[in-house]
Amino acid sequence: QEKVQQSPESLIVPEGAMVSLNCSFSDSASQSIWWYQQHPGKGPKALISIFSNGNKKEGRLTVYLNRASLHVSLHIKDSQPSDSAVYLCAVPSNTGYQNFYFGKGTSLTVIP
Amino acid sequence: EAAVTQSPRNKVTVTGGNVTLSCRQTNSHNYMYWYRQDTGHGLRLIHYSYGAGNLQIGDVPDGYKATRTTQEDFFLLLELASPSQTSLYFCASSQGTLYFGSGTRLTVL
Repeated sequence: QEKVQQSPESLIVPEGAMVSLNCSFSDSASQSIWWYQQHPGKGPKALISIFSNGNKKEGRLTVYLNRASLHVSLHIKDSQPSDSAVYLCAVPSNTGYQNFYFGKGTSLTVIP
Repeated sequence: EAAVTQSPRNKVTVTGGNVTLSCRQTNSHNYMYWYRQDTGHGLRLIHYSYGAGNLQIGDVPDGYKATRTTQEDFFLLLELASPSQTSLYFCASSQGTLYFGSGTRLTVL
């Protein structure tokens, strides 16, 4: 059973659109949940994290967390072609070491 | 800016061959990790370490060894490579946030 599930698998939007990415998880340690961005041929890069239930905003990014429903979402406002990438949800493992379970990712394409 | 450098960038070997993937971090982080990334599976943890001389097994360790020689250097060893180990390998370091290298694409023929 997958510990982290992301939806949709892929998304194509016009420039300027609002983008919503979803992540459901089966369990997690009480640590921050992260979103990573991965461009082609590159390693994932940390984008934004959230620890407490509720929302957190950084620039064009807003992340929402509901631990009770085991769900986190990432919203990108005014999307740009440079936002085109794979977005990975990373949920902390509850096995006692600093590890994360990753979802398979959502591939985002922003068309100019 | 945190830095993790992997080498080689690409590697082709034959079934049964020996392969060593190298990783160096200049972040002074205690934790280092080796992941593999495959279509349909996402990122999966192979081995990790929380300091020089320490090694812990991850979620998909079979067929892999690893060694942490210093705080900076972490190596992944495939002693009898198999086609199922064809993958994109990432090294990362962490002190809370994961910092990834650019990856090594390994092909086992």
